[in-house]
Amino acid sequence: AQSVSQHNHHVILSEAASLELGCNYSYGGTVNLFWYVQYPGQHLQLLLKYFSGDPLVKGIKGFEAEFIKSKFSFNLRKPSVQWSDTAEYFCAVNPSGGSQGNLIFGKGTKLSVKP
Amino acid sequence: DAGVIQSPRHEVTEMGQEVTLRCKPISGHNSLFWYRQTMMRGLELLIYFNNNVPIDDSGMPEDRFSAKMPNASFSTLKIQPSEPRDSAVYFCASSLGFSGNTIYFGEGSWLTVV
Repeated sequence: AQSVSQHNHHVILSEAASLELGCNYSYGGTVNLFWYVQYPGQHLQLLLKYFSGDPLVKGIKGFEAEFIKSKFSFNLRKPSVQWSDTAEYFCAVNPSGGSQGNLIFGKGTKLSVKP
Repeated sequence: DAGVIQSPRHEVTEMGQEVTLRCKPISGHNSLFWYRQTMMRGLELLIYFNNNVPIDDSGMPEDRFSAKMPNASFSTLKIQPSEPRDSAVYFCASSLGFSGNTIYFGEGSWLTVV
């Protein structure tokens, strides 16, 4: 079965620290990959997405993610976090070209940034 | 663009009562998704529609759950009868097209069943 694994349940960082959140997926075919962010009490918002091309994808708010096909990974990074980045981050996979239109989400990683 | 609109935002109901959650997708989008978010299970896809037709409802937990999409601009998720374990945030989302397109989420309906 397709699944998405996010390695860290809760990450606590100080402002200006660098961030890397891990994401691995189990689907063997071609995939589209997403990172969504959910700020406290709000809905999910798209951070960035990868469909094809350059495996290093840049998103909003200084976030980027790298698709490594051989490792089935799509890790999220930010060089210097801010207090306002405190949120929950979800990695998601969608099998492209297939009959499915849904996203399969990981369990999420809560990020707490200390001022 | 108004985004995906859900109602109610918050609902508290007693066990056994019927609950109806509503969703208006982004205008022009032809795929609609219902997700449930809980602490224990994370985000789970319940059902999704394409061009108002249910494509996959395998995520619907029980017969107590039903979803309809009578037209391109409206969908409902109904729970009858509701149980405390149904307490969760229910998100509606929509996208243009089908596989691989960005899915936009509503602000969610926070359901508490007591």
